[in-house]
Amino acid sequence: EIVMTQSPATLSVSPGEGATLSCRASQSVSNNLAWYQQKPGQGPRLLIYDASTRATGIPARFSGSGSGTQFTLTISSLQSEDFALYYCQQYNNWPRLTFGGGTKVEIK
Amino acid sequence: QVQLQESGPGLVKPSQTLSLTCSVSGGSISSGSYYWSWLRQPAGKRLEWIGRIYSSGSTNYNPSLKSRVTISVDTSKNQFSLRVNSVTAADTAVYYCARGGVWPGEYYFDYWGQGTLVTVSS
Repeated sequence: EIVMTQSPATLSVSPGEGATLSCRASQSVSNNLAWYQQKPGQGPRLLIYDASTRATGIPARFSGSGSGTQFTLTISSLQSEDFALYYCQQYNNWPRLTFGGGTKVEIK
Repeated sequence: QVQLQESGPGLVKPSQTLSLTCSVSGGSISSGSYYWSWLRQPAGKRLEWIGRIYSSGSTNYNPSLKSRVTISVDTSKNQFSLRVNSVTAADTAVYYCARGGVWPGEYYFDYWGQGTLVTVSS
């Protein structure tokens, strides 16, 4: 099983500032990585797939980068609605899909 | 806008069968353009993909759960369902249904339900 490790566990950011979230895979997943945002009481929302492609309707302030084992989700100029939990998911090792433990982005 | 909604008992006794249904609106399961998945997340643990089904009834399962899980589809009702046999406390989780791509490599999920908590307890 490929283990996905996200860091930091919690990120405190002031509105308007940028945020950088990391996701590391225990072995290469090529660019087969997705990022999700989740708010309390809701299901996850797809932000990024194929490591860097924004999903339909996702604002340009969200960007993804990386390949192999190291990936980054960058949120430029955080808006109030961006404070949430973020997960990465690898889908290179089908059918053993795995998710990271999550990064909580909270208001500083 | 596609919407998915999970439904089913919130409490199941150990050794019994967990059964959930996902109702899809805003799009047809029969369109054949997507796979339909179940995932779960125990409290404090990671999301886990359970399995998926296509409109034809073709399924794929996570090898770690395959022996106890069955996913079925009812295209006439635009619903798909999950059954987990012989449940234990370890099956207590929030269960989600979600939509995924149909092409090889599209193993991510672009629409999710809000989730439903299922507790296994006597």
